[in-house]
Amino acid sequence: ETGVTQTPRHLVMGMTNKKSLKCEQHLGHNAMYWYKQSAKKPLELMFVYNFKEQTENNSVPSRFSPECPNSSHLFLHLHTLQPEDSALYLCASSRALGRAEGEKLFFGSGTQLSVL
Amino acid sequence: RKEVEQDPGPFNVPEGATVAFNCTYSNSASQSFFWYRQDCRKEPKLLMSVYSSGNEDGRFTAQLNRASQYISLLIRDSKLSDSATYLCVVNRDTDKLIFGTGTRLQVFP
Repeated sequence: ETGVTQTPRHLVMGMTNKKSLKCEQHLGHNAMYWYKQSAKKPLELMFVYNFKEQTENNSVPSRFSPECPNSSHLFLHLHTLQPEDSALYLCASSRALGRAEGEKLFFGSGTQLSVL
Repeated sequence: RKEVEQDPGPFNVPEGATVAFNCTYSNSASQSFFWYRQDCRKEPKLLMSVYSSGNEDGRFTAQLNRASQYISLLIRDSKLSDSATYLCVVNRDTDKLIFGTGTRLQVFP
């Protein structure tokens, strides 16, 4: 049983829609992440939050907007997406940043997003 | 050159076989190394950390070669349940973990 839960598991949206992905971790971790996984590509880091402060925005287009109200919750707000944004979006958490043991990531089950 | 490079496979091996994967990384300053396992349509899960001295966990052995900048994963006595994609993960900076594309392993009866 995962300590990181993501909703929804599947999402189909049109290019003009606005939707949000939700992530919650029950592990007492301080860092949370959004990753994108496209077919035949490695996981791409999108955003990093440490103690609910954003520490990384990996040149992600503004149509993806993260929100981290506290260390346990992370959102990814989506608007005017493109078909090429269709992918598996994975949330992860870790105990801390900057220390090897703390960098171990625990992933949620992901949201499979399809943009029509 | 990719930051983290893996042979995508697939590696098709019979049950009981020994199989090894290598992963090369480009940043000589990297300090943290991991192997993750990802089953089809599932999230990645940490398999093991890779320490400078090497480490072993049951049938799995991970090693680090800093001089040649690669890490390896050895699986002995392969089981059908070992079939998955194995992801090599290396840190770039203190707060960035970079994933390889993964090596797919298929164990057949």
